[in-house]
Amino acid sequence: GENVEQHPSTLSVQEGDSAVIKCTYSDSASNYFPWYKQELGKGPQLIIDIRSNVGEKKDQRIAVTLNKTAKHFSLHITETQPEDSAVYFCAGPNQAGTALIFGKGTTLSVSS
Amino acid sequence: DGGITQSPKYLFRKEGQNVTLSCEQNLNHDAMYWYRQDPGQGLRLIYYSQIVNDFQKGDIAEGYSVSREKKESFPLTVTSAQKNPTAFYLCASSRPRQGGLTGELFFGEGSRLTVL
Repeated sequence: GENVEQHPSTLSVQEGDSAVIKCTYSDSASNYFPWYKQELGKGPQLIIDIRSNVGEKKDQRIAVTLNKTAKHFSLHITETQPEDSAVYFCAGPNQAGTALIFGKGTTLSVSS
Repeated sequence: DGGITQSPKYLFRKEGQNVTLSCEQNLNHDAMYWYRQDPGQGLRLIYYSQIVNDFQKGDIAEGYSVSREKKESFPLTVTSAQKNPTAFYLCASSRPRQGGLTGELFFGEGSRLTVL
């Protein structure tokens, strides 16, 4: 089945800097890669996703890149703000494509 | 407002007792999921259901049971057979993409279970 590994587990940046979180996946048939943000005491929320037919997708300050050959995808946050502080999870579909398997999460801290 | 409602938010249980966590959605989603969240472990899939009266085991189903008698409801029972039940439990729902593939998950706010 799918295995998703996420790095780093913690990331601290200064406000205005960029942050990059990387995930690798094992199943070469996987075709859908979302990123979720979880704020303290809440459930995760989808912030961006990418399908395997594109290499990059942007939405304002966040972007996701996909390298199918290397089987990794990354979340890029530019001009970070304190409200970006949260836990971020990458995910990939299980073998049947019917559920998501999540990485272990990255705790991002943005200090002002 | 449409969304996922989990209850209770906090629950304490003595060892040896079964406990049932409630999850209700009014998003008219076909698929529902239960995940367990532990520090440093991410979200691990317990059970999921793509349609009423059908469900599948996830990666850590042992010691848990579910039912899906109604589209809106997907309760999770943590049985006494679960060796380490203290955790944060998250329920989610989704409208599957074409071909039954999973789409965006909408999560509830979670239930924190503590076994004393």
